[in-house]
Amino acid sequence: GAGVSQSPSNKVTEKGKDVELRCDPISGHTALYWYRQSLGQGLEFLIYFQGNSAPDKSGLPSDRFSAERTGGSVSTLTIQRTQQEDSAVYLCASSSTGQETQYFGPGTRLLVL
Amino acid sequence: AQSVTQLDSQVPVFEEAPVELRCNYSSSVSVYLFWYVQYPNQGLQLLLKYLSGSTLVKGINGFEAEFNKSQTSFHLRKPSVHISDTAEYFCAVSAQGSNYKLTFGKGTLLTVNP
Repeated sequence: GAGVSQSPSNKVTEKGKDVELRCDPISGHTALYWYRQSLGQGLEFLIYFQGNSAPDKSGLPSDRFSAERTGGSVSTLTIQRTQQEDSAVYLCASSSTGQETQYFGPGTRLLVL
Repeated sequence: AQSVTQLDSQVPVFEEAPVELRCNYSSSVSVYLFWYVQYPNQGLQLLLKYLSGSTLVKGINGFEAEFNKSQTSFHLRKPSVHISDTAEYFCAVSAQGSNYKLTFGKGTLLTVNP
């Protein structure tokens, strides 16, 4: 079946603008993760959703970052008042309930000018 | 908390040569171990994983890895590499019985030269 999809694939924005990044997980996967990949920090966990449980937001770097997951499927990661250090590739992954293996999307490459 | 160290940031090899990419981890709890590969401008693809059982695990594209609990290592090996194996390789761990969030190493860029 279809894998994890993310949109847009590339996003260029100006410093101070808000951006929204979208993730469509694999159908039937209840767990969804966001990670950030940057040159300086490597791959970092941002946030985790599992079904209707409260999300694990422990990896969000600041209160400018937020995410939601509607209907237990699609997720949106929002970055408010973007800064140049937010430039990175944002990766989404999903997995089945109780499954330890995550499947990744192609990522959204964000450039903040 | 967990941490992962990939000892080599870059590994150049010639085609058909063997390769080993090294990974060590630190954790106060039992972990699952993974290797992912990332080709240019693509997402992460799972190569192989260790969950339990046999410490030698085989993955896609002829790769294998061996879990060594006493040395807290999970090195990736391939007996004969191809040009198409050129990519970045990431070792990752997740804590057992947790939400399975992954902690990654910094990555090793494998470059296979003709």
